[in-house]
Amino acid sequence: DAGVIQSPRHEVTEMGQEVTLRCKPISGHNSLFWYRQTMMRGLELLIYFNNNVPIDDSGMPEDRFSAKMPNASFSTLKIQPSEPRDSAVYFCASRTTGGYGYTFGSGTRLTVV
Amino acid sequence: DQQVKQNSPSLSVQEGRISILNCDYTNSMFDYFLWYKKYPAEGPTFLISISSIKDKNEDGRFTVFLNKSAKHLSLHIVPSQPGDSAVYFCAASRPGEDMRFGAGTRLTVKP
Repeated sequence: DAGVIQSPRHEVTEMGQEVTLRCKPISGHNSLFWYRQTMMRGLELLIYFNNNVPIDDSGMPEDRFSAKMPNASFSTLKIQPSEPRDSAVYFCASRTTGGYGYTFGSGTRLTVV
Repeated sequence: DQQVKQNSPSLSVQEGRISILNCDYTNSMFDYFLWYKKYPAEGPTFLISISSIKDKNEDGRFTVFLNKSAKHLSLHIVPSQPGDSAVYFCAASRPGEDMRFGAGTRLTVKP
């Protein structure tokens, strides 16, 4: 089992550009979560999906952020346009529905200059 | 709304001594609590958990204590080792719902 796979590991982009982060959950896990880690707020939940359906996106900062899960093995988090304050580490995690513990990916470190 | 709080952003202890990391929560509906450890450039990894029906869970050098009346849990590491240096996140959950994390505590264990 390769675990939760995120790409890219690092992304540096200019303000105003579109950024797309990708996640492949563990096979058989039907809940997927996107988190953002910042120094001030720690791990913030942005959005989560059950069986590919978005359940709670109340943590998405603003309309510039969007997330999709077109199938059980792939999800994207898009920021358009990106801003310097979006700079953070973004984590994807997955688990079985009804379970407790998550398995996290290694994260994408986003820097917007 | 920070439902899970870790009020100490950092903690430094000497190798061989006990490390105590604290966590408070506000939602009495939480019934499962977890600790995750995170090394730089890696994702958080599960460390230890406890159900609300228990008040203590032990796994080797790691013990988690839960005080439901105070809505407080703590992680004890004894003896602490330099390899324990990491950021520790406290998390709380209800069945089938998303997990809420604290802001993390950076533990440094000095040789």
